[in-house]
Amino acid sequence: KNEVEQSPQNLTAQEGEFITINCSYSVGISALHWLQQHPGGGIVSLFMLSSGKKKHGRLIATINIQEKHSSLHITASHPRDSAVYICAVPDYSGGGADGLTFGKGTHLIIQP
Amino acid sequence: SQTIHQWPATLVQPVGSPLSLECTVEGTSNPNLYWYRQAAGRGLQLLFYSVGIGQISSEVPQNLSASRPQDRQFILSSKKLLLSDSGFYLCAWKPRRVSETQYFGPGTRLLVL
Repeated sequence: KNEVEQSPQNLTAQEGEFITINCSYSVGISALHWLQQHPGGGIVSLFMLSSGKKKHGRLIATINIQEKHSSLHITASHPRDSAVYICAVPDYSGGGADGLTFGKGTHLIIQP
Repeated sequence: SQTIHQWPATLVQPVGSPLSLECTVEGTSNPNLYWYRQAAGRGLQLLFYSVGIGQISSEVPQNLSASRPQDRQFILSSKKLLLSDSGFYLCAWKPRRVSETQYFGPGTRLLVL
């Protein structure tokens, strides 16, 4: 079973700061998810990436498959970015249905 | 386009009562379906997955069961709820033939008192 570690667990920053959240996993994968969970609980998929880098607005996700590591960056952070950010990888022990194994999440607070 | 629905959105139930949470997917066929739970202060955990009607696999032993009576319907049930069943329950789907792309429902927040 894949083990997923995220850091930091909690992060408080000032508006405008550059944010980095890290994710490491133990078993090689072909793709990784970054998810965003708002206080209401709903989860939105931000990125699914298998190599290199993806960018969407102020969000950038990178992955190094060889090193089993991914990072999520937020440029020019804003209070509305405050949320829990979760890294997830396929759980290949699930008989082929590829359920996800999740990190514990990074609780991000951006102060005005 | 595909959409995924879950209901109810929130639920407060007494210990020992039964539970039925429903998830339906529109706009696709033969999806893989998943139930996840997020207990308070903990990360998301896979509970059940299904690759077809009547086919259910369980990832962790627990007080819950799942059923898939129709292709795009996934139900999470319990005969007698425990306090430890409280949490946030998420349904997700992914296309059968495309690996590692999952789409999440809005979730159900369950509080067992």
